[in-house]
Amino acid sequence: AQSVTQLGSHVSVSEGALVLLRCNYSSSVPPYLFWYVQYPNQGLQLLLKYTSAATLVKGINGFEAEFKKSETSFHLTKPSAHMSDAAEYFCAVSDNSGYSTLTFGKGTMLLVSP
Amino acid sequence: DSGVTQTPKHLITATGQRVTLRCSPRSGDLSVYWYQQSLDQGLQFLIQYYNGEERAKGNILERFSAQQFPDLHSELNLSSLELGDSALYFCASSVVGGSHEQYFGPGTRLTVT
Repeated sequence: AQSVTQLGSHVSVSEGALVLLRCNYSSSVPPYLFWYVQYPNQGLQLLLKYTSAATLVKGINGFEAEFKKSETSFHLTKPSAHMSDAAEYFCAVSDNSGYSTLTFGKGTMLLVSP
Repeated sequence: DSGVTQTPKHLITATGQRVTLRCSPRSGDLSVYWYQQSLDQGLQFLIQYYNGEERAKGNILERFSAQQFPDLHSELNLSSLELGDSALYFCASSVVGGSHEQYFGPGTRLTVT
């Protein structure tokens, strides 16, 4: 069974500050890992994905994440927060089977203040 | 725009009623997934279909059922509705294999009164 833990249900940063959203996973097989973003009243949008190629993954909107197998982590970062980054962020792990069900974390709400 | 469409956008109904939510996947995607999102339970996987066949089941209640049609659109049927069924219901689609990412629709907000 897989699981995802996102530390912190809410993270607050100032505009221009570093964004760090934490994700730890548990998987019995090499995982595929994903970050999704959800803006208010919208569906989830894929930010980036790790699929066993490069451990540092770059996504859209300046976000990136680093896969660390030894720490079973896949933290999401952005060097400089923008007001438009305020949203809820979900980390997810795939079961790596041919039919790819995703297990999501509980989400982290990112608040950006001016 | 992910290419996944869902109808209706909002649905308000009474307890005990039955509703049907509809999803059209991205062009070329054979897999469809249904999720329920609520404040207390978070994002929960309900069920997956691949090319018309059920492939995986998650936390789906017996009062809920789904199907995928030959044109690959899918419907989620919710019956004997309870207040606790009020939630956002998302459909997602993917190309099976490869990097397994799923593309989500805009969701249907169900309110049971």
